[in-house]
Amino acid sequence: DAMVIQNPRYQVTQFGKPVTLSCSQTLNHNVMYWYQQKSSQAPKLLFHYYDKDFNNEADTPDNFQSRRPNTSFCFLDIRSPGLGDAAMYLCATSPGTGHIPTQYFGPGTRLTVL
Amino acid sequence: GQQLNQSPQSMFIQEGEDVSMNCTSSSIFNTWLWYKQDPGEGPVLLIALYKAGELTSNGRLTAQFGITRKDSFLNISASIPSDVGIYFCAGHAGGTSYGKLTFGQGTILTVHP
Repeated sequence: DAMVIQNPRYQVTQFGKPVTLSCSQTLNHNVMYWYQQKSSQAPKLLFHYYDKDFNNEADTPDNFQSRRPNTSFCFLDIRSPGLGDAAMYLCATSPGTGHIPTQYFGPGTRLTVL
Repeated sequence: GQQLNQSPQSMFIQEGEDVSMNCTSSSIFNTWLWYKQDPGEGPVLLIALYKAGELTSNGRLTAQFGITRKDSFLNISASIPSDVGIYFCAGHAGGTSYGKLTFGQGTILTVHP
């Protein structure tokens, strides 16, 4: 059974047109993360939520926003996508307790910007 | 900032051969993780290591957390075609139970039947 679910798996948007990617989890984990991954590179952390506390990475562009309305769901909003934002976007979760920082990833959403 | 050096960058092997890859760092990590990523998919956790010196197996995979806390290796025995993919190591250094992972650059594994 899928534990970290991302929808859609593929998203096509136009330059400058806002887009929202979604992530849900059945693990009841406290922490949810959003990563950007470009071809053959390691994932790059954009931000994470510990419960409702939002933590932004210093180099994450303002163009990227996130919402976590409840424990199970987290959204990535890209306000004005540029060509350079075309990438795989990965959602991950971790328990946030018990000294276990292990992160579990979803299958990703491949974003294409035309 | 913290960096992980993962090697080799790529490997081309014959089915049945054993594979070894490793990650090294100039700083200490408290957790080492190994992931496999197939094309178009998210990384899948293979092995998690939480104690220095720990040696853990998962089927044909074996990974070790280095005694110095600055390195880890992953071995795959008797490789098969479905082992193809990108393998990432990741380390967690913080005192909290969550937060940023530092990733290696990845090892691209190709297995020839």
